[in-house]
Amino acid sequence: AQTVTQSQPEMSVQEAETVTLSCTYDTSENNYYLFWYKQPPSRQMILVIRQEAYKQQNATENRFSVNFQKAAKSFSLKISDSQLGDTAMYFCAFCQSDYKLSFGAGTTVTVRA
Amino acid sequence: DTGVSQDPRHKITKRGQNVTFRCDPISEHNRLYWYRQTLGQGPEFLTYFQNEAQLEKSRLLSDRFSAERPKGSFSTLEIQRTEQGDSAMYLCASSRVLTANYGYTFGSGTRLTVV
Repeated sequence: AQTVTQSQPEMSVQEAETVTLSCTYDTSENNYYLFWYKQPPSRQMILVIRQEAYKQQNATENRFSVNFQKAAKSFSLKISDSQLGDTAMYFCAFCQSDYKLSFGAGTTVTVRA
Repeated sequence: DTGVSQDPRHKITKRGQNVTFRCDPISEHNRLYWYRQTLGQGPEFLTYFQNEAQLEKSRLLSDRFSAERPKGSFSTLEIQRTEQGDSAMYLCASSRVLTANYGYTFGSGTRLTVV
């Protein structure tokens, strides 16, 4: 069974600063996919960024980037130049060849003005 | 592309009653997933369909839960004899089979409160 662990229940960051969210996962497979999803309060979950395990290069999407450490089974998300609209719950997720997503417990990010 | 629609958005029901939720996926998506999310937690997988076939059910899906996707389009999730522990957000998501590794599109969810 796959497990995804997010060890930070809550994070707070000043507007325009950087915050890093941690995620570790457990799998015996070599080929898999990792995701970060954002869930704003009372709104639907949206995909922030995606990483393929066989790619060594870390994914980047505008202000969002990941640090993928395959050997350590670590997949952290960095939000640069934080904006008020980044306030949300962030979920790390994982899937293998069955394409079934498994989620972590989430990290609540609050951006302070 | 109108996204994934879920109905109703909110449902309050008395313990012991039956409830049914509906999910309309993106039209060209042949995979449909149901997840349950309790307050402050991540979504937990319940079941998924490929076209009309239900391919997997989680152990979380007790005998009181049933899901259908009769024509490979919309899906329903029914909970019989609701219990207070069923109170949660029920999320539906969809994807194409061949691009499921690019992530799912989620609906806004149905929030169930059992009183």
